[in-house]
Amino acid sequence: RKEVEQDPGPFNVPEGATVAFNCTYSNSASQSFFWYRQDCRKEPKLLMSVYSSGNEDGRFTAQLNRASQYISLLIRDSKLSDSATYLCAAAPEYQGGKLIFGQGTELSVKP
Amino acid sequence: GAVVSQHPSRVICKSGTSVKIECRSLDFQATTMFWYRQFPKKSLMLMATSNEGSKATYEQGVEKDKFLINHASLTLSTLTVTSAHPEDSSFYICSARGRLETQYFGPGTRLLVL
Repeated sequence: RKEVEQDPGPFNVPEGATVAFNCTYSNSASQSFFWYRQDCRKEPKLLMSVYSSGNEDGRFTAQLNRASQYISLLIRDSKLSDSATYLCAAAPEYQGGKLIFGQGTELSVKP
Repeated sequence: GAVVSQHPSRVICKSGTSVKIECRSLDFQATTMFWYRQFPKKSLMLMATSNEGSKATYEQGVEKDKFLINHASLTLSTLTVTSAHPEDSSFYICSARGRLETQYFGPGTRLLVL
């Protein structure tokens, strides 16, 4: 079983739709979680960190469920420019801050 | 935000040659940098953790003699792919650890070995 797993998609949604991504992690000692966005042939860019209390940044909401060991990302009112691959990442405790990435979920927002 | 650069952005080389990739944190000091590789449509796979002034820590299955890492200063880490072969062709990305454990990624290096 992979340490961090995501549904690879692709998710094809119309503009304005709400879309949710889930990500599960197997290492219960993971302490920090992140969502990254990666455009085609580019490096990942940090979208948001994920906190236990949940956090929101504009149209984006991230949630962490430690009991079930999953994190989620909700995108509301999706835009064409949201089309990208979304990667979740977990940082295991006491491992020097390294990140373990899921395989990424591809999102395509259509007009 | 924090800026990380990588050089070169792309390289094409013949099989058997060695290729050096540089990763620099431009506006902050990074005691820890990470090297990843990514194949098309696949996730980033951590290769090694590079610590300034000490030996790199390699992930399982990554040959340390094949992928030489040097972290000579707080702003520079290098990855050398020695005796590159076509199967080493990939997208190599570095990241530098900043405040609050956030990692900032370089723009990546596309390596094509013929």
